[in-house]
Amino acid sequence: EAGVAQSPRYKIIEKRQSVAFWCNPISGHATLYWYQQILGQGPKLLIQFQNNGVVDDSQLPKDRFSAERLKGVDSTLKIQPAKLEDSAVYLCASSRTGSWNYGYTFGSGTRLTVV
Amino acid sequence: KQEVTQIPAALSVPEGENLVLNCSFTDSAIYNLQWFRQDPGKGLTSLLLIQSSQREQTSGRLNASLDKSSGRSTLYIAASQPGDSATYLCAVLSSNTGKLIFGQGTTLQVKP
Repeated sequence: EAGVAQSPRYKIIEKRQSVAFWCNPISGHATLYWYQQILGQGPKLLIQFQNNGVVDDSQLPKDRFSAERLKGVDSTLKIQPAKLEDSAVYLCASSRTGSWNYGYTFGSGTRLTVV
Repeated sequence: KQEVTQIPAALSVPEGENLVLNCSFTDSAIYNLQWFRQDPGKGLTSLLLIQSSQREQTSGRLNASLDKSSGRSTLYIAASQPGDSATYLCAVLSSNTGKLIFGQGTTLQVKP
């Protein structure tokens, strides 16, 4: 099966600019996650979707971050305006419903550098 | 609140050594524990998934164990190779919150 696709792979922007990341999960995976991984740390969950509904966005900085998952498939994560501390790798993951049995599959990530 | 800790943070070994990476978690209420590998600048590759009812899983030269009652997991790598050099992350799926919680990772360097 094809993996989780993410684009772009790299992005460099100036602070206060906006940026968007795209994710296409594994076909049939109802649950989609966006994680933020700051250098030297483990990934931290930003938002979780079940189909096209938000399950958990408690750690999403909603004043600048937004995410959507139209039609329960692809998802986009947007940052506007970006801050220096947003420099990180943004990882998308998906899982089948009932991830306790199947685990998560991660994409290659988007490395964001804010200058 | 579930916390996951990995020790050591970094490890350097000569090629051919057997090694153990450690992961501990504070809340035993988990569905499963997953070990991932991350190469520099890349995403996460799943290595092994252990259900909460299981004690261990094996894949090739890798063996992961789980002791849920003590909140510990180990990843054993046999006959290490330079290609094993990467960051290894463990993550637990909390049955209380449904969230996948990661440790900070162990960066492994295997020298030829």
